[in-house]
Amino acid sequence: DAKTTQPTSMDCAEGRAANLPCNHSTISGNEYVYWYRQIHSQGPQYIIHGLKNNETNEMASLIITEDRKSSTLILPHATLRDTAVYYCIVRVAGTASKLTFGTGTRLQVTL
Amino acid sequence: DVKVTQSSRYLVKRTGEKVFLECVQDMDHENMFWYRQDPGLGLRLIYFSYDVKMKEKGDIPEGYSVSREKKERFSLILESASTNQTSMYLCASSLVGYYNSPLHFGNGTRLTVT
Repeated sequence: DAKTTQPTSMDCAEGRAANLPCNHSTISGNEYVYWYRQIHSQGPQYIIHGLKNNETNEMASLIITEDRKSSTLILPHATLRDTAVYYCIVRVAGTASKLTFGTGTRLQVTL
Repeated sequence: DVKVTQSSRYLVKRTGEKVFLECVQDMDHENMFWYRQDPGLGLRLIYFSYDVKMKEKGDIPEGYSVSREKKERFSLILESASTNQTSMYLCASSLVGYYNSPLHFGNGTRLTVT
């Protein structure tokens, strides 16, 4: 399985963009990058995913480097409700089902 | 929206008891999963199922079994609960046949074994 590396924690001021990095240097060509987040006492929530092109939805943007060895999740205008643990995950090739989670980045949004 | 419902939010059981954790999803998803989450260890996959009556071991299946008799329901069974199975248990579901299909999670069952 391709593994991911994320910083343990980050802070962001409310209203500013939160940029969460992720390294996945062993990713293979047909593996997708997924981002989830988990707010305290809730189950993880899907945010966005991508293969090699940049992606944007109503929650966030995903920027994947050209060599696909790293990516950045961008929350354009962070709010206090975005305080959560953010997980970057690479989908295991061949199984189409299994996701392996790491320990994620704890994002603290402050006033 | 996809809804994944776990039958209990909090559960307290005694060592040696047989424990059933139930999960139901309402979107006709083929894949269903059981994870456990512990501080410092992240989410670890226990079992998953890609069809009715089909199951595969995840990363930490020891001490657990599963049952998938109907498509919408996936049960996790602790045959003889032990204190090291105290944890947050999370159920998830996803479509099959779509390589990039995301997982949808329930809100978890916090199990305490005393």
